[in-house]
Amino acid sequence: EAQVTQNPRYLITVTGKKLTVTCSQNMNHEYMSWYRQDPGLGLRQIYYSMNVEVTDKGDVPEGYKVSRKEKRNFPLILESPSPNQTSLYFCASSFQGISYNSPLHFGNGTRLTVT
Amino acid sequence: KQEVTQIPAALSVPEGENLVLNCSFTDSAIYNLQWFRQDPGKGLTSLLLIQSSQREQTSGRLNASLDKSSGRSTLYIAASQPGDSATYLCAVNAYGGSQGNLIFGKGTKLSVKP
Repeated sequence: EAQVTQNPRYLITVTGKKLTVTCSQNMNHEYMSWYRQDPGLGLRQIYYSMNVEVTDKGDVPEGYKVSRKEKRNFPLILESPSPNQTSLYFCASSFQGISYNSPLHFGNGTRLTVT
Repeated sequence: KQEVTQIPAALSVPEGENLVLNCSFTDSAIYNLQWFRQDPGKGLTSLLLIQSSQREQTSGRLNASLDKSSGRSTLYIAASQPGDSATYLCAVNAYGGSQGNLIFGKGTKLSVKP
């Protein structure tokens, strides 16, 4: 089944403890992206990648890192999480960049709580 | 800077009613506009993508229109069903800004009563 898989679905951690949220897609998509969703603020892009080894900042990249060493994987790294990073995170992918009119496919989300 | 607005924030209708959801955007220079559906506890599902050169797209009971000059899009749902209850979001990919960035509206929460 074609899908975007995020792990874990739920994560509770403490301030300053490094964590990684994994994202993998099995559709051979070139474009991948991370969003966070917060009440009242909607969905905001953190980072995106147009292809392997190509990443760029979205609207809210501070406090996050990403890497794209393989086409299928796009992990989101929080080096030193803080409570304001408590949010619902979504990974998404599309066949080509979204400017090429490729629909975006989303994972089921990771709910992160930082205490 | 591109801004996307969806009105109303919430809508409740009886089953069987035809309805329209609205999306407006401030900058008409866009590559495309997408409509998504989000169910509680789930990710987003792409419903329709309208390219900048298109005026509308249809999928089953859904029809989305795009008027770039006025910065508006509508999602028309025919013969609504309780299973249509979800939050609907629109998003635009704009020229000038990051080519990899979709700008989302905050969504319309739809409730279809049996």
